[in-house]
Amino acid sequence: DVVLTQSPATLSVTPGERISLSCRASESVDTYLHWYQQKPNESPRLLIKYASQSISGIPSRFSGSGSGTDFTLSINGVELEDLSIYYCQQGNSLPRTFGGGTKLELK
Amino acid sequence: EVQLVESGGGLVQPGRSLKLSCAASGFTFSNYYMAWVRQAPKKGLEWVATISTSGSRTYYPDSVKGRFTISRDNAKSSLYLQMNSLKSEDTATYYCARHGPSTEGIGYFDYWGQGVMVTVSS
Repeated sequence: DVVLTQSPATLSVTPGERISLSCRASESVDTYLHWYQQKPNESPRLLIKYASQSISGIPSRFSGSGSGTDFTLSINGVELEDLSIYYCQQGNSLPRTFGGGTKLELK
Repeated sequence: EVQLVESGGGLVQPGRSLKLSCAASGFTFSNYYMAWVRQAPKKGLEWVATISTSGSRTYYPDSVKGRFTISRDNAKSSLYLQMNSLKSEDTATYYCARHGPSTEGIGYFDYWGQGVMVTVSS
């Protein structure tokens, strides 16, 4: 199974700053890497597909990059509504697997 | 508007069975692969099952293979998860999720339901 390791586990942020979240795969997943946001007590929401492709309705401050084993989700100008847990997920092989998540909290 | 509404959760004893349902609306259900994803309390996400558009192909991780069965009724736009031989570690919120368009493969989940809680305990 492909293991996805997200770092950091928790990130303390200040509104307005640019941040980057990391997702590292135990083997190459090409660009079959997707990002989700889960706000408290809500269902996950797809943010980025295929490592860098934007999703309709998602604010443009969210962007993704990477390929192979190293991926990054960036938020350019964090807003309070972005305080959530972010998960990466690989779609390259079965079983589909998720990373352990990165929680954004207010500094 | 795409809507996925789960039902059927609750408290069940270890070793017993439970069947979850998901009612879909707002899209052509028969055109999409569908899935179940679960989340144990305060934990991360775990993919549980996927079914093809016709229902002829199903996929499971080892953790539930042989115990869980995913199925669908395209005429009713409904998805199901039959869970047998339940264990305490199956306690979680279960989400019904739609895979992205089949033209893009079945790699990601583009819509999620609100989830239904399943508690396995004596």
